[in-house]
Amino acid sequence: DAKTTQPPSMDCAEGRAANLPCNHSTISGNEYVYWYRQIHSQGPQYIIHGLKNNETNEMASLIITEDRKSSTLILPHATLRDTAVYYCIVRDVMDSSYKLIFGSGTRLLVRP
Amino acid sequence: EAQVTQNPRYLITVTGKKLTVTCSQNMNHEYMSWYRQDPGLGLRQIYYSMNVEVTDKGDVPEGYKVSRKEKRNFPLILESPSPNQTSLYFCASSFSIGTAYEQYFGPGTRLTVT
Repeated sequence: DAKTTQPPSMDCAEGRAANLPCNHSTISGNEYVYWYRQIHSQGPQYIIHGLKNNETNEMASLIITEDRKSSTLILPHATLRDTAVYYCIVRDVMDSSYKLIFGSGTRLLVRP
Repeated sequence: EAQVTQNPRYLITVTGKKLTVTCSQNMNHEYMSWYRQDPGLGLRQIYYSMNVEVTDKGDVPEGYKVSRKEKRNFPLILESPSPNQTSLYFCASSFSIGTAYEQYFGPGTRLTVT
């Protein structure tokens, strides 16, 4: 499984964009990048995923570099409710266990 | 509302007293899974199920049992709980094998075994 590296913590001002980086330099061709978040001991919440193209949904945008060795999750207008731990997860969709492997994540604090 | 529900949300019990944590989803999802979350160890998969009557062990299955008799339910059974099973437990589900990593999580069950 490809390993991911994320900064332990970040902060941003409310209303500004939050850009959360993730390094996955050993990612292989079959592996997708998934992002989840967990708000203070609640169940993790799926945000977005991608393979190599940039993706956008109602929650966020995902930018994956051309060499796929890193990605950035963008919350375009962060709110206080976006304060959470964000997890970048790399998974091979051919892996039959389908388990999500959560690392340490990035603790994002959105400041008023 | 599409959701995964777990019961109970909080439970304090004693060593050796059998307990069941229920998990139910109303989205007709094929795939369901149980995780436990412990400080410093992250979330670890206990068991998972591809569909009715199909279950398999995750990374930390010792001390746990599961069953999948109906598509919507996936109970977690602790036959003889021990203090090292004190943890925060999450049930998760996803629509199908093709979208297995887009998982919906329940609100969690905080279990304390004394």
